[in-house]
Amino acid sequence: LAKTTQPISMDSYEGQEVNITCSHNNIATNDYITWYQQFPSQGPRFIIQGYKTKVTNEVASLFIPADRKSSTLSLPRVSLSDTAVYYCLVGGFSGGYNKLIFGAGTRLAVHP
Amino acid sequence: KAGVTQTPRYLIKTRGQQVTLSCSPISGHRSVSWYQQTPGQGLQFLFEYFSETQRNKGNFPGRFSGRQFSNSRSEMNVSTLELGDSALYLCASSLLAGDEQYFGPGTRLTVT
Repeated sequence: LAKTTQPISMDSYEGQEVNITCSHNNIATNDYITWYQQFPSQGPRFIIQGYKTKVTNEVASLFIPADRKSSTLSLPRVSLSDTAVYYCLVGGFSGGYNKLIFGAGTRLAVHP
Repeated sequence: KAGVTQTPRYLIKTRGQQVTLSCSPISGHRSVSWYQQTPGQGLQFLFEYFSETQRNKGNFPGRFSGRQFSNSRSEMNVSTLELGDSALYLCASSLLAGDEQYFGPGTRLTVT
């Protein structure tokens, strides 16, 4: 499964757009890119998943360039409640099985 | 519909004891995965069950085991507890392999 690299931490302010980039140079052809959000003492929560180009849902957008070696999670107009750890995962569907490989994640702090 | 439930939510055990944690997936979900989260190692995959069969296993010693019942509920067992087993144990369920995984709130295990 492809290893991911993302910034350890980021700071932002309420109302700003936040972009978190994840590097996954060894992504396989059938790998999807998935982002999860985790608050302290809670399980991770699925945010968005994509394969290529751009995916948008009600909470975020995911930009994936043509070579798929990186991806960017975009959170529009963040609020204090978006303070959390964000994980970028690649794969999750390895030979038909579920096996999420979590990296260290990006700790996002949103300030007033 | 109800989310993934895990019991108990908190548990304190002493070294050498064994513990059983329980997970009830979302109704209709057949895949259940278990993860361990510690401050030092982050989120690590333990194993996945689908239709009562273990299909994938992470890199954990044999003291960690699990099973899944015909109603998709799952249990994991840790025998001969060590201090390093103190962690948040998370269960996740999905309809099928490769689908979005829904995490429960976790069981926080403290080994003294």
